Amino acid sequence: AQTVTQSQPEMSVQEAETVTLSCTYDTSESDYYLFWYKQPPSRQMILVIRQEAYKQQNATENRFSVNFQKAAKSFSLKISDSQLGDAAMYFCAYRSLTYNYGQNFVFGPGTRLSVLP
Amino acid sequence: DGGITQSPKYLFRKEGQNVTLSCEQNLNHDAMYWYRQDPGQGLRLIYYSQIVNDFQKGDIAEGYSVSREKKESFPLTVTSAQKNPTAFYLCASSTAYTGELFFGEGSRLTVL
Repeated sequence: AQTVTQSQPEMSVQEAETVTLSCTYDTSESDYYLFWYKQPPSRQMILVIRQEAYKQQNATENRFSVNFQKAAKSFSLKISDSQLGDAAMYFCAYRSLTYNYGQNFVFGPGTRLSVLP
Repeated sequence: DGGITQSPKYLFRKEGQNVTLSCEQNLNHDAMYWYRQDPGQGLRLIYYSQIVNDFQKGDIAEGYSVSREKKESFPLTVTSAQKNPTAFYLCASSTAYTGELFFGEGSRLTVL
């Protein structure tokens, strides 16, 4: 079974600075999806960025980018020019492409990011 | 706008009562899911459904029940058998083979 690990339970960053959140995963599959979700105090889960494993190019969405290292099974999220609104819980998630819908999403335990003014 | 609607957002229950959380989606997604989240914790899968009239238990199904009579709807009943039901409940949906989970805004259940 796949597992997702986020080794940083909490992190903090100064406003306007850059921060990197770590995520590693364990899988024997070659094709899959990886995601970063943001959960602000409202608790709605918001998709930040997604990465298809077959794509070598790292995904980017405005101030958010990932460093996808397939061989190392690492998927870190970089937030540039951090804003107060970035303060949230961030979850790394893995989606298997095997034919088993319910179990094919695996979430990490989350990293709580604080942004200091 | 396409999305997932959960209701109610807040619900209070007395011990021994069953309650039902509603989840409706208009994304035309085949798969739907229920997750439970406890304070400061990650997501745990309660039930999921791939197609109408079919659903499977997740990791923590005891004390919960679901139905999937329509593609758009996947209600969750928290029964009196659930010993610690106070939690935040998230409904989600996805396409069959690719892409991400889409989430509703969640329902907060508190047992009095």
